[in-house]
Amino acid sequence: GEDVEQSLFLSVREGDSSVINCTYTDSSSTYLYWYKQEPGAGLQLLTYIFSNMDMKQDQRLTVLLNKKDKHLSLRIADTQTGDSAIYFCAESIGDSSYKLIFGSGTRLLVRP
Amino acid sequence: GAVVSQHPSWVICKSGTSVKIECRSLDFQATTMFWYRQFPKQSLMLMATSNEGSKATYEQGVEKDKFLINHASLTLSTLTVTSAHPEDSSFYICRLGGLPTDTQYFGPGTRLTVL
Repeated sequence: GEDVEQSLFLSVREGDSSVINCTYTDSSSTYLYWYKQEPGAGLQLLTYIFSNMDMKQDQRLTVLLNKKDKHLSLRIADTQTGDSAIYFCAESIGDSSYKLIFGSGTRLLVRP
Repeated sequence: GAVVSQHPSWVICKSGTSVKIECRSLDFQATTMFWYRQFPKQSLMLMATSNEGSKATYEQGVEKDKFLINHASLTLSTLTVTSAHPEDSSFYICRLGGLPTDTQYFGPGTRLTVL
């Protein structure tokens, strides 16, 4: 079945790195995504990684994928207070409709 | 780039009434749209896949007679919550299909409160 899990909460100090983890169960995932949702707002795509890649870096963001363990992580370098939000990982199921299955979300709190 | 709008952005209705939510793509033709529901402090749950010109595909546990989806054109999908009850209060979000891409188009969401 399709299941995506995340830890619920993470608190870091401004300037430190944040690492948000995600596990998924569907081995047929083609792409895995990280989204950011600020209070009262819609979803913002941060980055994504193709399932045959191990790592992707985009400015302050680094995505690591361990396909064997079905583990995905998002590292935010030099975390800022503006990074405080809920972060969702999601997997796309590789059929023609590209269904997205979301994790439960991790609330990141950045302390000054 | 494409812009997705939802209307209304929020709605309050009485229990037993029906509410229609529109998801409109302003710049992109989408044969497929997705409807999600998000309860407070929870994740997005996929409700259904809306296919232009054909019947929607509902996820397990989602009542198709309660959540009516119509995708009559390539730029408009509607979700009607029929005979709404307080437990239907939620944040409803639509998304255009067409993965994978750097650009993904989510609607801003509609907050439904049923009294």
